[in-house]
Amino acid sequence: GQNIDQPTEMTATEGAIVQINCTYQTSGFNGLFWYQQHAGEAPTFLSYNVLDGLEEKGRFSSFLSRSKGYSYLLLKELQMKDSASYLCAVRDSNYQLIWGAGTKLIIKP
Amino acid sequence: IAGITQAPTSQILAAGRRMTLRCTQDMRHNAMYWYRQDLGLGLRLIHYSNTAGTTGKGEVPDGYSVSRANTDDFPLTLASAVPSQTSVYFCASSEHPGQGYNEQFFGPGTRLTVL
Repeated sequence: GQNIDQPTEMTATEGAIVQINCTYQTSGFNGLFWYQQHAGEAPTFLSYNVLDGLEEKGRFSSFLSRSKGYSYLLLKELQMKDSASYLCAVRDSNYQLIWGAGTKLIIKP
Repeated sequence: IAGITQAPTSQILAAGRRMTLRCTQDMRHNAMYWYRQDLGLGLRLIHYSNTAGTTGKGEVPDGYSVSRANTDDFPLTLASAVPSQTSVYFCASSEHPGQGYNEQFFGPGTRLTVL
């Protein structure tokens, strides 16, 4: 079966750095996405990786290792507004997105 | 530019009733999707459409139907609602289905409660 695993919840301090991990087992791989979802709102796109390595976009970076079935999202200089759920999704061999359950990130002052 | 709109925002429905959730996008995207989101579970694909006139089944299609008569609209119908269909429903679209950097844009969601 297809499976995407992320931690359910993480807590971090304002101004710090946090890494959210995602491991996946899917039928095929055609890219990995990270989305942010604030409570009661729609998911919004953060990053896309299809090749191994690190993609940096401002305070957010995303890493992929296809051989290990592993990705992480790195958030730097955390702000209170970063409190949200972070969703990992893999595009499978049918080009559909398979979603993890999301990681709820709590930022403390 | 509105992006994607969904209606209604929320609805309480008696079991056995028929309900259509509406979704409209103004980005001229080819592909559209319906997901449900339940606590503790990831988004699950119900149905999708790669282009106007075509539809396909996702992971959890039973009890739901869709149509795609034109590019902009992608309604989701529950023929006879059951309590297990209580969920938050998101409509999404992407410029193209398939490969490449091809993010999905999401509507604001419909919160549906079936009693």
